[in-house]
Amino acid sequence: DVKVTQSSRYLVKRTGEKVFLECVQDMDHENMFWYRQDPGLGLRLIYFSYDVKMKEKGDIPEGYSVSREKKERFSLILESASTNQTSMYLCASSLTTATGELFFGEGSRLTVL
Amino acid sequence: AQSVTQLGSHVSVSEGALVLLRCNYSSSVPPYLFWYVQYPNQGLQLLLKYTSAATLVKGINGFEAEFKKSETSFHLTKPSAHMSDAAEYFCAVKGGGYSTLTFGKGTMLLVSP
Repeated sequence: DVKVTQSSRYLVKRTGEKVFLECVQDMDHENMFWYRQDPGLGLRLIYFSYDVKMKEKGDIPEGYSVSREKKERFSLILESASTNQTSMYLCASSLTTATGELFFGEGSRLTVL
Repeated sequence: AQSVTQLGSHVSVSEGALVLLRCNYSSSVPPYLFWYVQYPNQGLQLLLKYTSAATLVKGINGFEAEFKKSETSFHLTKPSAHMSDAAEYFCAVKGGGYSTLTFGKGTMLLVSP
C-alpha cells in the first residue's frame, strides 16, 4: 500500500522559532508536494519537487523553504514562524507528472503562538 | 491558467437521499480532473479521476462523476447517501505536462439521519 508519513501530527511553536516539517514516502515517487490547508481557502501549494535536490515555488512560497536531499524525503522549513502560519500542512507525492494523481499524508497541524 | 469552483461550501442531505456536489473548472488545455475526500483529522484520499477516457467515471464508495466539456463541469454524485459519507470533498484540475493540481475550496457534506 502507498504510504506518505508526516513526522508530526500536532505541533505548537512560538513566534520566531524555526520549524521543520518532515515527510517521507515509501513508493519511490519522483514528485513531492507541500500544501497548506485553511478553512474556506482549500489547499494551496507552497512548494514542490520533481527530483532530488530540485524545488519549485508554488502559489504561496513566502516564509517557507524546502529541502529534498533524498528521493523519499521532503522537508518544509519555516525559518521564523509567525502566527499567520498557523495551519494544517499536507504533504503529498505522485508517481508521474502526466496524470498527477496525488497520495497524501495525514497532515501536520501547526499552531504558532 | 487553471481554476476550480465548487458551488456551496456546505451541502446537507438526509441519509438515503441523492448526493450532488458541484464542480466547474477552467483550463486552457484538456484537463485531468479529480475528486478527493477528507475525513476528519485525516489527509485527502482519491475518490475518482478523469483522464480523457470515459466521460462517466466511477469511483470508490459508490460515487461517480461525469465530465461535461460543454459545461466545463465535473459534478460528483451518489444515488443514496450514507452517514459515513459525511466529510469534506475537494475537486481538483490539472493541465498537461508539468502543471500541478489546483484544488477547489472544498464542500462539506453533512448527512442527517
